Amino acid sequence: DAKTTQPTSMDCAEGRAANLPCNHSTISGNEYVYWYRQIHSQGPQYIIHGLKNNETNEMASLIITEDRKSSTLILPHATLRDTAVYYCIAKTSYDKVIFGPGTSLSVIP
Amino acid sequence: GAVVSQHPSWVICKSGTSVKIECRSLDFQATTMFWYRQFPKQSLMLMATSNEGSKATYEQGVEKDKFLINHASLTLSTLTVTSAHPEDSSFYICSARGAPQRTDTQYFGPGTRLTVL
Repeated sequence: DAKTTQPTSMDCAEGRAANLPCNHSTISGNEYVYWYRQIHSQGPQYIIHGLKNNETNEMASLIITEDRKSSTLILPHATLRDTAVYYCIAKTSYDKVIFGPGTSLSVIP
Repeated sequence: GAVVSQHPSWVICKSGTSVKIECRSLDFQATTMFWYRQFPKQSLMLMATSNEGSKATYEQGVEKDKFLINHASLTLSTLTVTSAHPEDSSFYICSARGAPQRTDTQYFGPGTRLTVL
């Protein structure tokens, strides 16, 4: 699996967009970018994934650069309930999910 | 859709006893299930992978005789911590990946907090 790097922590004001970056410069052509999050003391929650096109669902948007070496997860209107650790993972469809340290996002009132 | 449940949500046991944790995929058939462990302030660590009807594959450093995994059906996997000791106290989380339409996404259970006294 390609290694990903994320900032250790970020703050975001409530109601504003949260933009979480992820670098995956060694990503292979058949590896997707997955995002999960883990709210304190809960199991990880799947957010979104994509291969090369931008993706949007009811939770977030995923913007992948044209060279696929980096991506950004966007939470359009962050709420206090979005405070969590966010994990960016680059893997093929059938690879298992291996978690790195992730980004601890704090949404501030 | 894609709901994974775990039971129990928390358990306290005495040192030397065995504890069984159940993981169920509620609305899809899980051809592959995964077990993770998470210690405080750390990320999740993969313990093992199991395919329905097959023996589990354990990650390096995970004792297969201590952490018994059974994946007897497409909706149920169990993890048994045998002869538990205080150092086994942790947050255990299962994950499931299904077929056919969800082959590429792992969904996670809510976790089971094990405390060994």
